[in-house]
Amino acid sequence: DQQVKQNSPSLSVQEGRISILNCDYTNSMFDYFLWYKKYPAEGPTFLISISSIKDKNEDGRFTVFLNKSAKHLSLHIVPSQPGDSAVYFCAASVTNAGKSTFGDGTTLTVKP
Amino acid sequence: NAGVTQTPKFQVLKTGQSMTLQCAQDMNHEYMSWYRQDPGMGLRLIHYSVGAGITDQGEVPNGYNVSRSTTEDFPLRLLSAAPSQTSVYFCASSYSRRGSLTDTQYFGPGTRLTVL
Repeated sequence: DQQVKQNSPSLSVQEGRISILNCDYTNSMFDYFLWYKKYPAEGPTFLISISSIKDKNEDGRFTVFLNKSAKHLSLHIVPSQPGDSAVYFCAASVTNAGKSTFGDGTTLTVKP
Repeated sequence: NAGVTQTPKFQVLKTGQSMTLQCAQDMNHEYMSWYRQDPGMGLRLIHYSVGAGITDQGEVPNGYNVSRSTTEDFPLRLLSAAPSQTSVYFCASSYSRRGSLTDTQYFGPGTRLTVL
């Protein structure tokens, strides 16, 4: 049973437009959610996070929205840039559990 | 700081061979984890540790052993390699202070393992 799901394996957007990546989770114990970005042949790097006490967190061009009742979160990138082309992983954790559960990733392609 | 380092970067094994993937971090992080990533899939947790001397199993622990004798090092041992263990392996560390919501993980560059 996959507890964190990213239902879109890929997404293609035009440079300057908005990219919206989605993530659903099933475990109501999760209280911290993170997005990681991964380039080929590199390890994932942290992008942005949100705790369950908030419904929005913003960092520059990146905003994460959390809808706890729907067990859904999304990452918005505005405006999208070609350098944003990468695989984006959604992850969820229980505070101080020492581990995270990851989705399968969404490959974002931003076309110039 | 070097962050999280992993060695080797690439490895080819024959079925039945054993080996150890090395992972080290210099950030004094309490938590360390090992993940594997197969094509088209996300990161699946193999084993993790919340401190020196403490380890626990993740989603896919079979065929792997770990130990955590120091805060810095968290080696992953393949006991008898199988083709199903062909994957990219990532080590990660994080610092989580009780009462604060900081589970951000820092990942190493990965080890690409092929088992023939």
